[in-house]
Amino acid sequence: AQSVTQPDIHITVSEGASLELRCNYSYGATPYLFWYVQSPGQGLQLLLKYFSGDTLVQGIKGFEAEFKRSQSSFNLRKPSVHWSDAAEYFCASSRGSYIPTFGRGTSLIVHP
Amino acid sequence: DTGVSQDPRHKITKRGQNVTFRCDPISEHNRLYWYRQTLGQGPEFLTYFQNEAQLEKSRLLSDRFSAERPKGSFSTLEIQRTEQGDSAMYLCASSVAVGLGPMNTGELFFGEGSRLTVL
Repeated sequence: AQSVTQPDIHITVSEGASLELRCNYSYGATPYLFWYVQSPGQGLQLLLKYFSGDTLVQGIKGFEAEFKRSQSSFNLRKPSVHWSDAAEYFCASSRGSYIPTFGRGTSLIVHP
Repeated sequence: DTGVSQDPRHKITKRGQNVTFRCDPISEHNRLYWYRQTLGQGPEFLTYFQNEAQLEKSRLLSDRFSAERPKGSFSTLEIQRTEQGDSAMYLCASSVAVGLGPMNTGELFFGEGSRLTVL
């Protein structure tokens, strides 16, 4: 069975600093990979996705993620964080059954 | 707004009562999913439909839980004899599936969720 691990429960950054959120997946073949963001009281919104091809994918709100097969990772990055980026971030994978499996999430705290 | 809508957004009930949640997916989406999310956790899969057929159910979906999608459009999730452990956010999502091939990637569009509190 596939699984997704987000090792960091909380990440705190200063506004304007760079950000990297970690995600590791466990699956024999290359899965489809996603990052979602959830703001308080809101539903999950897709930031970006990886299916195949170029391993660096661009998403909305200035986010990008890089797929690294050798490390089974799909880390999310942003060069300069804004206060409005404070939210919960979820990594997810799907394949085969096409039912996404989610990680437990990383809470991003942004200091002014 | 043509996004996924869920109703009610909040529900407080007493233990032992039945509750029902409704989800209206994006109109052209043929797949509909239910997930449960508890505090500090990611969404956990409960069940999904393709059109009106319920294709898979998680072991999390006990006998007290039932989901329907009678005409392949909206869906309901009913919890009978609620327990305090049922307190959670119930998320609905939809997607479009094209046959059985790689076009189906699992990209989901979520509603804002229905929060259940069981006293």
